[in-house]
Amino acid sequence: QVQLQESGPGLVKPSETLSLTCNVSGYSISSGYYWGWIRQPPGKGLEWIGIIYQNGHSFYNPSLKSRAALSVAASKNQFSLNLRSVTAADTAVYFCARVASNAPTDWGQGTLVTVSS
Amino acid sequence: QSALTQPPSASGSLGQSVTISCTGSSSDVGGYAYVSWYQQHPGKAPKVVIYEVTKRPSGVPERFSGSKSGNTASLTVSGLQAEDEADYYCISYAGANKLGVFGGGTKLTVL
Repeated sequence: QVQLQESGPGLVKPSETLSLTCNVSGYSISSGYYWGWIRQPPGKGLEWIGIIYQNGHSFYNPSLKSRAALSVAASKNQFSLNLRSVTAADTAVYFCARVASNAPTDWGQGTLVTVSS
Repeated sequence: QSALTQPPSASGSLGQSVTISCTGSSSDVGGYAYVSWYQQHPGKAPKVVIYEVTKRPSGVPERFSGSKSGNTASLTVSGLQAEDEADYYCISYAGANKLGVFGGGTKLTVL
């Protein structure tokens, strides 16, 4: 059974880069599927950030495309998110997920990232 | 892509049934047989309760069922139990090289 676990700083300063990693266990990223990031601002709904395949093919939420970058480290069975130039509006719980038919199927527990000086 | 439309809230009494709608367009819900529903309890990650419109993952009670008519998908929870109180989100496939489209979420209250 696949398990996903997000890791990274819980506090990021405005204008800096938010960096998160998702460690995957129980399934090899190299075996297939897309892998993605979703976020949820406090008290609000779910918002896609983007998804990436093992070969690096990716697509993004148009509203975040200019600031977001996903990458895969297949040898470590990990994938990562970098979100540049963050503001308070980027404060959210960030989830990583395995994706099928462009929808999350298996989710990490989520990690709260707060943007504040 | 516009978000799918869900009612902000729904409610039902213990043991009753409640249906939550998810309305999109022919470019998403109406065009594909790939609608999923998630249940999210406070402070927890979402969990799939329905996928591919009508299918239930193993471990999800039979009380949860899904359907679709035209551009609207629906999630029905029968025999409501206290633990069903949660937020529910739908998502639909919207084409290749496009992210799935989420609904805005529905808060289900069990009275």
